[in-house]
Amino acid sequence: EAQVTQNPRYLITVTGKKLTVTCSQNMNHEYMSWYRQDPGLGLRQIYYSMNVEVTDKGDVPEGYKVSRKEKRNFPLILESPSPNQTSLYFCASSSLDWTGPYEQYFGPGTRLTVT
Amino acid sequence: KQEVTQIPAALSVPEGENLVLNCSFTDSAIYNLQWFRQDPGKGLTSLLLIQSSQREQTSGRLNASLDKSSGRSTLYIAASQPGDSATYLCAVRRYGNNRLAFGKGNQVVVIP
Repeated sequence: EAQVTQNPRYLITVTGKKLTVTCSQNMNHEYMSWYRQDPGLGLRQIYYSMNVEVTDKGDVPEGYKVSRKEKRNFPLILESPSPNQTSLYFCASSSLDWTGPYEQYFGPGTRLTVT
Repeated sequence: KQEVTQIPAALSVPEGENLVLNCSFTDSAIYNLQWFRQDPGKGLTSLLLIQSSQREQTSGRLNASLDKSSGRSTLYIAASQPGDSATYLCAVRRYGNNRLAFGKGNQVVVIP
């Protein structure tokens, strides 16, 4: 089954404790992206990657890191989480057409709480 | 910067009525527009993608139209059912950009 998986699905952590949220897709997609969703603010893009070793900032990259060492994986790293990073996080992937990313497929989400 | 607006934020309709959801965007130079469905606490499911060269796309009871010149897209859901209750989001990708800009969604409740 074609899918985007994220782990963990739920995470409660404390300020300053480094964490990684994993994302994996089995569709051989070149493009992968991370979003956060907050009430009243909607979905905002954090980082995206056009291919292995190619990453770029989205709208809200501060406080986050990413890496793309393999095509299927795109982990999101919070080096020193803060309470304002409490949010619902989504990973997405898509193939590329001649203009760029095509139809995006989303993972189930990771609900992160930083106390 | 591309701004995407979805109005109304929330609406309720009786079962069987047709649903009309609107999405407007400020920059008409787009590659494509995608409609998603999101159930509470869940991920986004892609419903329809319209390329900039297309006027509409259809899938079952769903039809999405695109009017680039006026910066608008409309999602029609025919003969709504309680199972259509969800939040519907639209997202556009602007020319020369590899990112999506999302609206905040239309929260729909279909009353049996």
